[in-house]
Amino acid sequence: QKEVEQDPGPLSVPEGAIVSLNCTYSNSAFQYFMWYRQYSRKGPELLMYTYSSGNKEDGRFTAQVDKSSKYISLFIRDSQPSDSATYLCAMSVTDKLIFGTGTRLQVFP
Amino acid sequence: EAGVVQSPRYKIIEKKQPVAFWCNPISGHNTLYWYRQNLGQGPELLIRYENEEAVDDSQLPKDRFSAERLKGVDSTLKIQPAELGDSAVYLCASSPGLAGGLGTDTQYFGPGTRLTVL
Repeated sequence: QKEVEQDPGPLSVPEGAIVSLNCTYSNSAFQYFMWYRQYSRKGPELLMYTYSSGNKEDGRFTAQVDKSSKYISLFIRDSQPSDSATYLCAMSVTDKLIFGTGTRLQVFP
Repeated sequence: EAGVVQSPRYKIIEKKQPVAFWCNPISGHNTLYWYRQNLGQGPELLIRYENEEAVDDSQLPKDRFSAERLKGVDSTLKIQPAELGDSAVYLCASSPGLAGGLGTDTQYFGPGTRLTVL
């Protein structure tokens, strides 16, 4: 079993939809949780960063961590075609990141 | 501010040939990472440098891979000889190195080098 599990998708939604992306993990020592966005032929870029359980909101994006269930989510409100990318969850104990496989998201007009 | 620079962007080689990738991190960043990203997978750490010192190379296949970071700035990752299974995107990332290994620095990724081994 992988330390971090993520549904690879692809996920296809219409513009304006609410998108929910999820990851589960097995290592209860993880403390830092991140979401990266990766456009085609580009490197990942940090989107959201949370420490421990709870919610964090940044514009149209909300990151949610439930440590009791070992489950993290990223919600995208009012999705736009420019949100079309692969979304990678990542987590760590110190500064060694463990990434999920990524979920490919397509937002169509 | 310039981001992480990598070259070449693409490389196609025959198996058993050597290949090298170059990375220039963001100015002032002490920590440098090399990752490998296979198709449809997330990045996996190969090696991490704190300045010139390799502090985590546990995932680096040392029989054929080598890396160096002379003077604590630019870094080179080499594969010799390359195998078919080495086809992947090789990503370099850097971070300020402020967390001292106790927290998590934000890692900034370069665009990667896409390697195809024929």
